[in-house]
Amino acid sequence: SQQGEEDPQALSIQEGENATMNCSYKTSINNLQWYRQNSGRGLVHLILIRSNEREKHSGRLRVTLDTSKKSSSLLITASRAADTASYFCATVFNDYKLSFGAGTTVTVRA
Amino acid sequence: NAGVTQTPKFRVLKTGQSMTLLCAQDMNHEYMYWYRQDPGMGLRLIHYSVGEGTTAKGEVPDGYNVSRLKKQNFLLGLESAAPSQTSVYFCASTGTFRGNQPQHFGDGTRLSIL
Repeated sequence: SQQGEEDPQALSIQEGENATMNCSYKTSINNLQWYRQNSGRGLVHLILIRSNEREKHSGRLRVTLDTSKKSSSLLITASRAADTASYFCATVFNDYKLSFGAGTTVTVRA
Repeated sequence: NAGVTQTPKFRVLKTGQSMTLLCAQDMNHEYMYWYRQDPGMGLRLIHYSVGEGTTAKGEVPDGYNVSRLKKQNFLLGLESAAPSQTSVYFCASTGTFRGNQPQHFGDGTRLSIL
């Protein structure tokens, strides 16, 4: 069963705006990872946040983690057309395996 | 700089036929995974391997078999294909224990079962 669930399912924004998506999970985790998937391609890792971290940045990406609420958020600032993709959170709930959510589809309009 | 390579990229099968999907990685990774991706359901783990000669069941293993005879290759087999196995299949690999590093994905195999 899927551990993580993203919200919203789809998001449409204007170029230059910020995009925020959320991920909720059910059980304690070791870490949480965010991935991007462009149409017709495999997933690409964006950022990993450990359970003892609260916030992490990578370029225009900002990820937060609230273990008390079992939730994480991904913020993309100053969005570009190239950010159009699906975004997935994945939780590590044992040593080897990731559990993926269904994803958020982001469309950036020019 | 190939990373994870999946072959074939597309395939159409008839119900009952068999086939093998090949995944090859050139990063010397210990851990390899097979997922399937269906609309609205994200990725679901089929089988995985924690090293050469080892395999284990994931979330949705029924109807699939796997083998890891060489460290760099992970094969996914469908013995008797069914329409419910129409999906996009992704292979991934990672080098470390405890999930502290990202998984590296191939670009997928799009499989249709008629």
